[in-house]
Amino acid sequence: GAVVSQHPSRVICKSGTSVKIECRSLDFQATTMFWYRQFPKQSLMLMATSNEGSKATYEQGVEKDKFLINHASLTLSTLTVTSAHPEDSSFYICSAATGTGYNQPQHFGDGTRLSIL
Amino acid sequence: KNEVEQSPQNLTAQEGEFITINCSYSVGISALHWLQQHPGGGIVSLFMLSSGKKKHGRLIATINIQEKHSSLHITASHPRDSAVYICAVNDYKLSFGAGTTVTVRA
Repeated sequence: GAVVSQHPSRVICKSGTSVKIECRSLDFQATTMFWYRQFPKQSLMLMATSNEGSKATYEQGVEKDKFLINHASLTLSTLTVTSAHPEDSSFYICSAATGTGYNQPQHFGDGTRLSIL
Repeated sequence: KNEVEQSPQNLTAQEGEFITINCSYSVGISALHWLQQHPGGGIVSLFMLSSGKKKHGRLIATINIQEKHSSLHITASHPRDSAVYICAVNDYKLSFGAGTTVTVRA
């Protein structure tokens, strides 16, 4: 149980393109979803927290107009990297939790490796 | 900000050996997670604990809240245990350690 599906697993695209990444909870309702970014050889960094039906909360230094997050249903959250540039190349991973707050298990997707040429 | 430190950074073991990974943090927390990240990047949550000890198969996680320290043990290690193990702590958000790269040789 508690499966999170993330799609696509890998994206290679040209600079200036917008890229959408989907995160789905397959067998549970995810009240809260988290988006993380991981650079090579570094640990995960929280980008934003989204609760179903409300605006995402972004961490300091993360541009909300650059990284658009939508959590329209209890099973789907999307991250759109708008007008992507090479410096946006990274590994993006989502996680989902059944309640609000951080004091509960998070279930992670397999991640999306984004490469901007 | 919670400073999370893991040790060792890298670890190589022979199959069958007992492995210990340590995690310390600077600020009191409500819970601590141990995560496993495989070479492809996918992450599996191994444990979430707030006190004492948990066991799942060959994996054991312990936490000492007073000392702000947790350990992850792998008994009878196997090459399939090769992965990056990450400690993450809950205060107002998850703060992650840098990870421990474990390689188990057959």
